[in-house]
Amino acid sequence: KAGVTQTPRYLIKTRGQQVTLSCSPISGHRSVSWYQQTPGQGLQFLFEYFSETQRNKGNFPGRFSGRQFSNSRSEMNVSTLELGDSALYLCASSRSGRALDTGELFFGEGSRLTVL
Amino acid sequence: KQEVTQIPAALSVPEGENLVLNCSFTDSAIYNLQWFRQDPGKGLTSLLLIQSSQREQTSGRLNASLDKSSGRSTLYIAASQPGDSATYLCAFEGMNRDDKIIFGKGTRLHILP
Repeated sequence: KAGVTQTPRYLIKTRGQQVTLSCSPISGHRSVSWYQQTPGQGLQFLFEYFSETQRNKGNFPGRFSGRQFSNSRSEMNVSTLELGDSALYLCASSRSGRALDTGELFFGEGSRLTVL
Repeated sequence: KQEVTQIPAALSVPEGENLVLNCSFTDSAIYNLQWFRQDPGKGLTSLLLIQSSQREQTSGRLNASLDKSSGRSTLYIAASQPGDSATYLCAFEGMNRDDKIIFGKGTRLHILP
C-alpha cells in the first residue's frame, strides 16, 4: 500500500515568488492536513481538507492557501514568499471524519522549501 | 488554549537502557493522543495512538500510557538501541470536532553505542 507522497521534495525560491506543493494521500483516505515545521516553532497546523472542503484552518496569513481535488489529492500554495516561510512542509492523511475512525495520521516525507 | 509540552528537549542515554519520554497537556478533554518518531529531514512515523477510553498501548519495545486526570502521557522505550535515535513527538487531539491537532516540540533522543 503506497504511503503519502509529497512533491517536490526540495525547492528553492526567492522572496516575492509563489510556490505550489502537492500531496497524494494514502488510497482511500479522504482527509488531508498540512503542517509547517521550523526549528523555532515546531510543527504548526496550516489547514485540513476533507472531501474537497476546508474543514479547519490554522493561524497563518492569507498568503497560505490550499485545495483538495475529487481524488483527495491536495495542493497548498504560498504566495509572495518571505524569508520566514523557509520550512519543511508536511502533509498527513487519515481515513475519514473523526467520528468514524481513530484519527491516526500518516505523514509524507515533506517538501523542504528554502526562500532566498 | 491547549498547550502540549515535552520535557526534556534532548536526551542522551547509553545503549541498552530503558527510558521514559514525557508529554503533558493542559486540556483533559482529549479525543486521542499519538506518539510519532521523526528522523532528521524526514516525515513523521506514527508509533502509537491512544484513544481517550484507553490507558495504554504497546508495540514491541514501546509502551505509551495516558493519564487524563494528570494531563500526562509517557512513552516508555525498553532496551534502547542506537536505531532508536530520533526526535519523538506527541500530538494531542481534543474532543471538539473543530479542534486542531496540537504537537509538542519533541524530545531529541540520542542513544550512545
